[in-house]
Amino acid sequence: DGGITQSPKYLFRKEGQNVTLSCEQNLNHDAMYWYRQDPGQGLRLIYYSQIVNDFQKGDIAEGYSVSREKKESFPLTVTSAQKNPTAFYLCASKVQGSLGEQYFGPGTRLTVT
Amino acid sequence: GQQVMQIPQYQHVQEGEDFTTYCNSSTTLSNIQWYKQRPGGHPVFLIQLVKSGEVKKQKRLTFQFGEAKKNSSLHITATQTTDVGTYFCAGVTGTASKLTFGTGTRLQVTL
Repeated sequence: DGGITQSPKYLFRKEGQNVTLSCEQNLNHDAMYWYRQDPGQGLRLIYYSQIVNDFQKGDIAEGYSVSREKKESFPLTVTSAQKNPTAFYLCASKVQGSLGEQYFGPGTRLTVT
Repeated sequence: GQQVMQIPQYQHVQEGEDFTTYCNSSTTLSNIQWYKQRPGGHPVFLIQLVKSGEVKKQKRLTFQFGEAKKNSSLHITATQTTDVGTYFCAGVTGTASKLTFGTGTRLQVTL
């Protein structure tokens, strides 16, 4: 059963703590993405990776970090430097290139208090 | 940077009425994609348009890509309650593999 998994579905953290969100895919896709979605808003790109061991900043990378050590995995760390971390985080993947759909995971809802 | 705007932000229709959402990009796009996100869910791909002036249909949904490749629309004929959700357009410029998502249009359908 191919797809993208994100865990956990809900995550609660105290302010000042770093937290890592998991994203795993078994679709054999080269490209992976992290988006942030705030209530009633669109998707904003945080980071993306087109190949293992390489990644680029998206539009709102400040306060976040990623790694891409394996093709299947693209974890996102929300650091304490992120001023408003509470949001819905979506991971996606696709085949390489400008064409082709992005496949999304179910998302992680992070609440920081 | 590139911006993609959608209008309206929200539309409430009665079942059976038609619905249209419009998408406008500040830059010329190489292709545009449309996604649907149900309440509490994640975006799901609907369609991709590549050619200038392209029109594609999926049952009651009609998608258009403008001649200048800077705008697009999604029209739903005779809406049903299953159409409820937020519809996003997402544009690609050049050969980039990243999408710029529009602001989304939330559709509510009541009986």
